[in-house]
Amino acid sequence: QQQVKQSPQSLIVQKGGISIINCAYENTAFDYFPWYQQFPGKGPALLIAIRPDVSEKKEGRFTISFNKSAKQFSLHIMDSQPGDSATYFCAASGDSGYALNFGKGTSLLVTP
Amino acid sequence: DGGITQSPKYLFRKEGQNVTLSCEQNLNHDAMYWYRQDPGQGLRLIYYSQIVNDFQKGDIAEGYSVSREKKESFPLTVTSAQKNPTAFYLCASSPQVSTGELFFGEGSRLTVL
Repeated sequence: QQQVKQSPQSLIVQKGGISIINCAYENTAFDYFPWYQQFPGKGPALLIAIRPDVSEKKEGRFTISFNKSAKQFSLHIMDSQPGDSATYFCAASGDSGYALNFGKGTSLLVTP
Repeated sequence: DGGITQSPKYLFRKEGQNVTLSCEQNLNHDAMYWYRQDPGQGLRLIYYSQIVNDFQKGDIAEGYSVSREKKESFPLTVTSAQKNPTAFYLCASSPQVSTGELFFGEGSRLTVL
């Protein structure tokens, strides 16, 4: 059973536009919500993460918005660039000794 | 440099053969993981280990085996019992399970002919 549901599966955005990827979870014990970025042929790398004590976290052009009551969180990429073209994974984990649960990923293409 | 080293990067095997994928880390992390990545399926957890000589099954452990004899090493064996072994395999580590960032290796692509 997929514990973290991610959408859309793929996304095409023009350079300078805003890319938005959404995730939803069911387990209220989750308390850590990271986003990973993966380029072809490489392993994923942590992009940004949030804990539920805040509703938003911003790092440069990347922002996580978190809605605890709706059990949803999203990644916004402002001023999207062709170099942002990659696969993005959301994930979640809790203080249960279990590993991260990943969404299925979103393939982002930023066109020039 | 500190990091996760996976080898080999590409591996071809005949059906019915066991293969072992290597994963070494020099980050002094306690926890190590193996994930499998298939197109459109995301990252699915195979096994993870919180400490030396201890490991737990993930969501798709059938047909795989692991060992954790040393803190820095967590090899994965894909056995002949794995019905669909062709995939991209990712090893990762973290200071502890579920408490922070995962550091991933560059992956091993296994193709079974």
